[in-house]
Parts: sequence; C-alpha cells; structure tokens
Amino acid sequence: RKEVEQDPGPFNVPEGATVAFNCTYSNSASQSFFWYRQDCRKEPKLLMSVYSSGNEDGRFTAQLNRASQYISLLIRDSKLSDSATYLCVVLHIKAAGNKLTFGGGTRVLVKP
Amino acid sequence: EPEVTQTPSHQVTQMGQEVILRCVPISNHLYFYWYRQILGQKVEFLVSFYNNEISEKSEIFDDQFSVERPDGSNFTLKIRSTKLEDSAMYFCASSEEGTVISNQPQHFGDGTRLSIL
Repeated sequence: RKEVEQDPGPFNVPEGATVAFNCTYSNSASQSFFWYRQDCRKEPKLLMSVYSSGNEDGRFTAQLNRASQYISLLIRDSKLSDSATYLCVVLHIKAAGNKLTFGGGTRVLVKP
Repeated sequence: EPEVTQTPSHQVTQMGQEVILRCVPISNHLYFYWYRQILGQKVEFLVSFYNNEISEKSEIFDDQFSVERPDGSNFTLKIRSTKLEDSAMYFCASSEEGTVISNQPQHFGDGTRLSIL
C-alpha cells in the first residue's frame, strides 16, 4: 500500500461549483498534514496545514480523520485559477529533521 | 516574503558527468531538504540536512549523491556521475527549526530542471 494515496483525477469542475477530494495515508504515526498546490512544472506551494479539528482558509476547507487515516480538501466557489494539482503531504517529525511524504496529486480543472 | 532560490533553473549535462545544483535557503531556516520529481511522477524525498550533517536520506540518495553547505548561505546537491534516470526536477526546501513538537511547513524553491543526455 502506498504511504500517501490520492485519486489522480482529473476533477472537471464548473466555475463556481464545489469540489472535494480525499487522501489516505498508511502510517498511523504520521504527525502533521498539509495540502500543497502544484501548477504545471512549478514548485509545490503550501496551500494550508490540516488540523485535527478541521480548518478553513477562505474558500478552502481541510479535514483530518485520524481514525480512518484520511484527510480531505474542499474548494468552494471554484475559480479558474484553482486549476492545479493538489498534493496531499504527510509530515513525519523526527528530532533530527522532518520528512515530507507526498501523494501523487489530484488534478483539478476548473472550466468556465 | 523571503524565498528559497535555486540555480540554475535548467541544467543540461552529458551522462556520466558531475553536476552541482545550488540552493539558497531562507536565511533564518535551519533545516534543509532536497526532493526530486521525475516528469509525471510524484515528488520524492531525497535527503534532509541539519547542523552540517545529513539527518535522513532515502534509498534514492545513494553514493552518487552528496550534499554540502559550503558557507553560511548555500546548500548544494552534487550528483557525481549522472545517469539518464537522474533527469528530473530537483527541489530544494527549507524550514524553521523543527523539534518534536514542531510542524513547520517546508518552503520550496522553484526547482532546477536537470536533463541528462
């Protein structure tokens, strides 16, 4: 089983609609979770951290379910500029340094 | 906003040659990382570096790879004898001090595209 698994998509989303997708992780000792966004051939950029109680940042809502070992991202009122690949990222914290494990990404295409 | 910078943006190298990729992490960050992304694949961890030594490395990071912090600002990745399969985007990242209670996110540079011919 992959450490971090995502539906690759693409999710074709009409502009203004809501889209949500999940990510599962296999290591129950995983400590922190993030959503990064990656545009084609660009570097990953931090979108938001994911907190145990769930958190919202504008049109983006992230949830964490430790019991079922998944995190989710919901995008409301999708904009054309939201088209990107969304990377689920799991952080393992160690005393000598932290390691990020990336999922393969979920591609989202927002269309007019 | 401070950022991680990488040079060059694109490196073309003959197979078997040595290549050095350069990174300038964010100035107050203490943890440094290299990742790579082969075209169409996921981002993969290579190595983490703290206090002038490697703290963790993946199985990808074999004897052909080395990292160095030659001065107070640069962080380099060297590939000694490049192979065709080393062609990828290489991302440098840095984070503030990460303790066992810290979950500081990592900030990525915009990458070096390495093409091995």
